[in-house]
Amino acid sequence: NAGVTQTPKFQVLKTGQSMTLQCAQDMNHNSMYWYRQDPGMGLRLIYYSASEGTTDKGEVPNGYNVSRLNKREFSLRLESAAPSQTSVYFCASTEKGGGREQFFGPGTRLTVL
Amino acid sequence: GDSVTQMEGPVTLSEEAFLTINCTYTATGYPSLFWYVQYPGEGLQLLLKATKADDKGSNKGFEATYRKETTSFHLEKGSVQVSDSAVYFCALSEPASGSARQLTFGSGTQLTVLP
Repeated sequence: NAGVTQTPKFQVLKTGQSMTLQCAQDMNHNSMYWYRQDPGMGLRLIYYSASEGTTDKGEVPNGYNVSRLNKREFSLRLESAAPSQTSVYFCASTEKGGGREQFFGPGTRLTVL
Repeated sequence: GDSVTQMEGPVTLSEEAFLTINCTYTATGYPSLFWYVQYPGEGLQLLLKATKADDKGSNKGFEATYRKETTSFHLEKGSVQVSDSAVYFCALSEPASGSARQLTFGSGTQLTVLP
């Protein structure tokens, strides 16, 4: 099992460009998440998908959109990148249910110039 | 809303020293509590967890006890190694029936262990 995979690992964008971060999991998990990690701020939830066909906003959704393409895949799109979106982005997944750990991907380091 | 407060870092210790990283939380219900570890250049991985009061989570020599009376989940290790150098995150997950269990993270504590 590969677990949670993310592509790309690194990306540099210019302000105003768009891109999509890809995430896939092979653990048959129902719920998937997108976080951003900024220095001194821990991880903040951008969007999540409780199950296939549903998505909900997290703490910091502005400037992002998501698509739960199927049970395995959950993508994050930046329509018009801004320097404030420079961050490390993590995708995670978990079984639906209480007290269960989330499994994280290796992250995408995004720089917006 | 829910929140997690972690000991400010960075923390620098010598090998074989005792480690404590403090974590306190605010939650409306009875959350599950987690410690995640992030090694350089990698994603987060679960270190240990506890799902109810007085539970002790343990893994790789690390321990943490869920203290409801003090709303705390402090991480401890009796003798740290250089390989323990990483960033440690405390997190909680509230029970919320019918929805995804979101994690609320602390800000992370950078640990460096010197040989």
